[in-house]
Amino acid sequence: AQSVTQPDIHITVSEGASLELRCNYSYGATPYLFWYVQSPGQGLQLLLKYFSGDTLVQGIKGFEAEFKRSQSSFNLRKPSVHWSDAAEYFCAVGPYSSASKIIFGSGTRLSIRP
Amino acid sequence: EPEVTQTPSHQVTQMGQEVILRCVPISNHLYFYWYRQILGQKVEFLVSFYNNEISEKSEIFDDQFSVERPDGSNFTLKIRSTKLEDSAMYFCASMGTGGEADTQYFGPGTRLTVL
Repeated sequence: AQSVTQPDIHITVSEGASLELRCNYSYGATPYLFWYVQSPGQGLQLLLKYFSGDTLVQGIKGFEAEFKRSQSSFNLRKPSVHWSDAAEYFCAVGPYSSASKIIFGSGTRLSIRP
Repeated sequence: EPEVTQTPSHQVTQMGQEVILRCVPISNHLYFYWYRQILGQKVEFLVSFYNNEISEKSEIFDDQFSVERPDGSNFTLKIRSTKLEDSAMYFCASMGTGGEADTQYFGPGTRLTVL
């Protein structure tokens, strides 16, 4: 079955510290992988996406993610977090097909310690 | 930058009432979606819509739900007779074609509260 697992429900890091949010997926075909961020009262904003090519992808706001096929993982990283990064982060997977749905993980809430 | 908009931001209704949630997708997009997120749970797919018909729907999207693109700009989700368990945040998304045919852009959501 297709699924996305984000094992960390809530993470707190200090401002300026590095961050890694974990994501594992189960998908039969070659996946299309996404990270979305949801700030309070806001919609889902795309941070980055991966389909093929370089397994390290760069996104907006200084985020990057690395695709590891052998581990079925797509972890999100940032070298130095800012207080404005506090939000809910969702990993998602979908097929490379125009109208198809994407499947979301349960999300990781990130809090920043001053 | 173009964005998906949704109205209202918060809708409160009585159980059994009909509600219509409205979305204005990005103007040149052709694929449209509704997702929902019950408080504390995952974002779940409801339905996708293309070329004036439903492309795919989940088991959640039963006969109480319908979608429509009544004009060239709006995309609506109607719930005919709301239940308590319909309380959730409802997200609309749209996707373009060609080079944009790989990313769904989401609106800010409508929080539906059924009393």
